[in-house]
Amino acid sequence: AIQLTQSPSSLSASVGDRVTITCRASQDISSTLAWYQQKPGKAPKLLIYDASSLESGVPSRFSGSGSGTDFTLTISSLQPEDFATYYCQQFNSYPHSFGQGTKLEIK
Amino acid sequence: EVQLVESGGGLVKPGGSLRLSCAASGFTFSSYNMNWVRQAPGKGLEWVSSISSSSSYIYYADSVKGRFTISRDNAKNSLYLQMNSLRAEDTAVYYCARFRFGEKRVDYWGQGTLVTVSS
Repeated sequence: AIQLTQSPSSLSASVGDRVTITCRASQDISSTLAWYQQKPGKAPKLLIYDASSLESGVPSRFSGSGSGTDFTLTISSLQPEDFATYYCQQFNSYPHSFGQGTKLEIK
Repeated sequence: EVQLVESGGGLVKPGGSLRLSCAASGFTFSSYNMNWVRQAPGKGLEWVSSISSSSSYIYYADSVKGRFTISRDNAKNSLYLQMNSLRAEDTAVYYCARFRFGEKRVDYWGQGTLVTVSS
């Protein structure tokens, strides 16, 4: 099974900061990676798919990059509503594993 | 508007069974693969199972293989998860989600239903 490792596990940042979260796969997954945002008590929300495609309705401050084993999610200028937990998920092969999550907190 | 509404969660004793349902609306259910994903309290997301649009292809996480069964009824626009031999570690919020196989993305999620396995 493919393992996804996110770093950091938690992150403190301020409104307006540029933030980058990394997801590393244990083997080549091409570009079959998605990123989700989850707020407490809510279902995950799709942000990025196919490693770099922005889901419809998601603000352009969110971007994704990478292929193979190394991927990043970048938020160009943090907004108050962006403080949440972020997960990556791979679709290269079953099981469609998730990363362990990155909790983004207000500094 | 796409809607996914889970039901059937609750408290069950270890070794017991439960059947979750997910009612889909706002899209052509029979054209989409569907997933179950769970989240234990305070923990991360765990993919549980996937089923193709015609039920031809089914996959399970090792943690539930042999105990859980995913199924769907396209005539009723419904997805199911039959959970048997439940364990304490199956305690979680269970989400159903729509999987766009061609684009490799899960674009809609339900609100989740809580399953608690405890004596």
